[in-house]
Amino acid sequence: AQSVTQPDIHITVSEGASLELRCNYSYGATPYLFWYVQSPGQGLQLLLKYFSGDTLVQGIKGFEAEFKRSQSSFNLRKPSVHWSDAAEYFCAVGGNTDKLIFGTGTRLQVFP
Amino acid sequence: GAVVSQHPSRVICKSGTSVKIECRSLDFQATTMFWYRQFPKQSLMLMATSNEGSKATYEQGVEKDKFLINHASLTLSTLTVTSAHPEDSSFYICSASRGRAAGDTQYFGPGTRLTVL
Repeated sequence: AQSVTQPDIHITVSEGASLELRCNYSYGATPYLFWYVQSPGQGLQLLLKYFSGDTLVQGIKGFEAEFKRSQSSFNLRKPSVHWSDAAEYFCAVGGNTDKLIFGTGTRLQVFP
Repeated sequence: GAVVSQHPSRVICKSGTSVKIECRSLDFQATTMFWYRQFPKQSLMLMATSNEGSKATYEQGVEKDKFLINHASLTLSTLTVTSAHPEDSSFYICSASRGRAAGDTQYFGPGTRLTVL
């Protein structure tokens, strides 16, 4: 069965600092991997997704993520965080169906 | 593109009443729609998957008679919480997908906050 772990419940960074949000998955084959961001009062917005090919995926808002099969990870990164990036971030995994399994989320707080 | 709306955004109802939540894909046709439930500070839990013109598929532990799902068109799915009780209070989120293939991107609505008194 698929599962997703986001080890960090809450992360605080200063504006302008780099960011890495961790995501580990469990799935027997090559998964489909997604990162979504949820801001208060708004729906989940897709940041990026990995299906196959290049393991470094570029997304919107300056985010990127790297698929590492050996570590079963799909960590999200951004070189310089903006105050508007404060939100809840969810990693999700899909397999051989159209369903997604979500992690428990990481709340990002950004200090000026 | 790929905008999904939900209505209402918030609803408060008395225990025992039924509540209908609408999910619409505004600028694309959604072959598949999904309904999730999100508890405070927790992840999204998939409740059911609905395909246009067919019966919804419910996840284990979700009462199909309590959570009625209808996907009557390629742009509209509804979730009706029947005989609502306080424990049904939650944040309900829908998503829509153009296809049914594995890995198809889901586009999410803003959610509906249900409070049952």
